[in-house]
Amino acid sequence: GAVVSQHPSWVICKSGTSVKIECRSLDFQATTMFWYRQFPKQSLMLMATSNEGSKATYEQGVEKDKFLINHASLTLSTLTVTSAHPEDSSFYICSARDAGNTEAFFGQGTRLTVV
Amino acid sequence: AQSVSQHNHHVILSEAASLELGCNYSYGGTVNLFWYVQYPGQHLQLLLKYFSGDPLVKGIKGFEAEFIKSKFSFNLRKPSVQWSDTAEYFCAVTAYNYGQNFVFGPGTRLSVLP
Repeated sequence: GAVVSQHPSWVICKSGTSVKIECRSLDFQATTMFWYRQFPKQSLMLMATSNEGSKATYEQGVEKDKFLINHASLTLSTLTVTSAHPEDSSFYICSARDAGNTEAFFGQGTRLTVV
Repeated sequence: AQSVSQHNHHVILSEAASLELGCNYSYGGTVNLFWYVQYPGQHLQLLLKYFSGDPLVKGIKGFEAEFIKSKFSFNLRKPSVQWSDTAEYFCAVTAYNYGQNFVFGPGTRLSVLP
């Protein structure tokens, strides 16, 4: 299957700083990328959907100014958590889908801890 | 509201027991259905998927699922579980009428006792 790579796998940052998470599709062109957040022992909650070259569509309740998503190329999307706070600590997962496929492929996730 | 539900939060089985995890969705129209597994400390992996055709779908590692349109269900089954099947299982749906975004169920934690 197609490969989606997320970087970093884990990150610890100080409260008030910003953190950038990268999501890359390694062997296909991802026209659509999704960002999810997973709290411990809970399901994945969709944060936003981004299509290459256009602004991301955020789910209700997700602050777009806090979670900046950029999908500048067909193989790369980034999620920047700005002015991070301890409550932003979570597991962030991206997935990617190409234009002709209804299946999405998932990255390995990034565990963010804000101290 | 459209949603995906999974019947059990936590299932505990002994090895060799049979498994059935329930999944129901409330979307109308054409849907694609998926089961993903998340082993401890690992990322989501696709177990199986249904797009069209035979409603009984066979996936990896001996898993299968049956799409019953009239019941809006897509239950996951395995005749004989192993300790290595201990993981979190997520049902997911994409619906043509709702932008084809993945919507995940809350997940079912499966613990298999050796």
